[in-house]
Amino acid sequence: EAQVTQNPRYLITVTGKKLTVTCSQNMNHEYMSWYRQDPGLGLRQIYYSMNVEVTDKGDVPEGYKVSRKEKRNFPLILESPSPNQTSLYFCASSVSSYNEQFFGPGTRLTVL
Amino acid sequence: AQSVTQPDIHITVSEGASLELRCNYSYGATPYLFWYVQSPGQGLQLLLKYFSGDTLVQGIKGFEAEFKRSQSSFNLRKPSVHWSDAAEYFCAVVPMKTSYDKVIFGPGTSLSVIP
Repeated sequence: EAQVTQNPRYLITVTGKKLTVTCSQNMNHEYMSWYRQDPGLGLRQIYYSMNVEVTDKGDVPEGYKVSRKEKRNFPLILESPSPNQTSLYFCASSVSSYNEQFFGPGTRLTVL
Repeated sequence: AQSVTQPDIHITVSEGASLELRCNYSYGATPYLFWYVQSPGQGLQLLLKYFSGDTLVQGIKGFEAEFKRSQSSFNLRKPSVHWSDAAEYFCAVVPMKTSYDKVIFGPGTSLSVIP
């Protein structure tokens, strides 16, 4: 089954404790992206990757890191989480930025 | 500033009534345009997209959208709403002229359907 998986689905952590949210897709897509969803703000793009080893900042990259060492995986790293990073996070993949994006189920992160 | 706006935060319609959700963008060139739907507790699903050509595009679940260059709009419509259409709807844009790779989402419109 074609899908985008994210782990964990739910995470409660404390300020400053490094964490990684994994994202994996099995559709051989070149384009992958991370978004955060906050009430009233819609989805805001954090980082995107056009291919392996090629990443770029979206609109809200501060406080986040990403890597793309393999085509299928695109982890999101929060080196020192802060409460303002409490949000719902979505990973997505597609053939390119202007093709249909396939979204993961979301990761709800709470930073205390 | 360049942006995607959805003027209606929340809309309530009766089942069987028609629906129009508004989307406006402020990018100079015609961007690539999308509508996504997010059902409660779910991820997002593409309803339809516009790249070029016929300005009226058909999507899944009986939705359609019309691109109007003069108004910088890409409004989503459905002639008869079903209770299962209650969801959050997002307009999205790939700016193209300024960036081929960024995807910009609007703030969303929440749709409630009254039986």
